[in-house]
Formats: sequence, C-alpha cells, structure tokens
Amino acid sequence: DGGITQSPKYLFRKEGQNVTLSCEQNLNHDAMYWYRQDPGQGLRLIYYSQIVNDFQKGDIAEGYSVSREKKESFPLTVTSAQKNPTAFYLCASSGKDYQETQYFGPGTRLLVL
Amino acid sequence: AQKVTQAQTEISVVEKEDVTLDCVYETRDTTYYLFWYKQPPSGELVFLIRRNSFDEQNEISGRYSWNFQKSTSSFNFTITASQVVDSAVYFCALGDGGATNKLIFGTGTLLAVQP
Repeated sequence: DGGITQSPKYLFRKEGQNVTLSCEQNLNHDAMYWYRQDPGQGLRLIYYSQIVNDFQKGDIAEGYSVSREKKESFPLTVTSAQKNPTAFYLCASSGKDYQETQYFGPGTRLLVL
Repeated sequence: AQKVTQAQTEISVVEKEDVTLDCVYETRDTTYYLFWYKQPPSGELVFLIRRNSFDEQNEISGRYSWNFQKSTSSFNFTITASQVVDSAVYFCALGDGGATNKLIFGTGTLLAVQP
C-alpha cells in the first residue's frame, strides 16, 4: 500500500529539548512538505522540499529545521528555539509538477511537558 | 495577497439533510488550483477534489458536489443526504500559483451530523 507514515503519533517535549518528527513516503513523490495546525486554525507551511538535498523555508520556519537526504524521507526537528511547539504536525507529499495534489500523513501531536 | 475564507466555523445538521460549506478565495493569479480536504477526528487530511481555475463546470461525486464560480471567487461544497460519517472538519485550500506548490488553507468548517 502506498502512502505516508508519520511517527510517533504523540510526542512529548521537555523544556530546552530538541525533538524530531519522522515522515516517510512510498509514493515516489519528489516534493514533501511540513505543516503545522493549531486549534481552530488552518494549516501553515513550515518547510518544503521539491528535490533531494534541497529545501526551502515556509511561512513559519523559525525554530524548526529539516533535512532531505533521501527521496522517501523528510524529518522535521523542533528545536528549543521554538517557544510554542504544542501543535499538530502534518507531513504531505506530491508530484513535482505544477500544483499537483498533496497527500497527507496521519500527523504527529506534539505536547510540551 | 492570497487568502481563503471559510466563514462558517461550525455547522450542525441532522442526518439526511443537505448541507453546503462555503469557500471564498482571493488571488491575483490567472491560473490557480482549488482543493477541498476532509479531516475526520483521526486527524489525517483526506483529499476530496482539485479544480483548475479554467474549469468552471460543477462536479458531482456521489453525494458530494462542488460549485465553482470565478465571478464570485467561490468554491462551495455540498453534501447531499448527509450521514454521520460525514462529521469532520472540512478545509478549502488555494494553490499559491508559484514555484512552491504551497497550499493556502482556510480555517476550516466543523460539520457535525446528528443521527
């Protein structure tokens, strides 16, 4: 079955700690994205990558970092510089052509202890 | 600036009622795409439809239908004969038209279908 997996489902972060959220896809998509969702709000783009070894900041990149070493994987690190990390994080992927449909993973809920 | 407005925060209907979810967008692009996604309580966004700005034909898929009107910058979504399984948050999104393929989301409409 092709799809996007995210792990863990729930993640707890202590003060000053960096945590990494995993996103893997087997759809053979070139582009991958990370979005943040806060209660009662739409999704906001954190980072995106259209090709391996390249990524760009989205609208709310401060306090986050990513890597794209493999086509299938696009991990997101929430650093200690992100002062309000509690949110639902969604990973998506799509083909590289203009405005192709983005397909989403099940999400990771990050909570601060 | 590009923007998507979903003015209905919450809608509650009784099963078998028809319901329309409104979506109004703003863009300066002449070519753009619009999307609808469903987010059930599990959290995963489920893709429903993608529509090109040059295609204003209404679309029907089973109980779902979409009305795209460029003249009013609207892309409304109607569920006919709603069912409890339709209960979810529904998001309308606009493709930003640039090289990023970024989606600009509305704030979503929570639809509650009562049995």
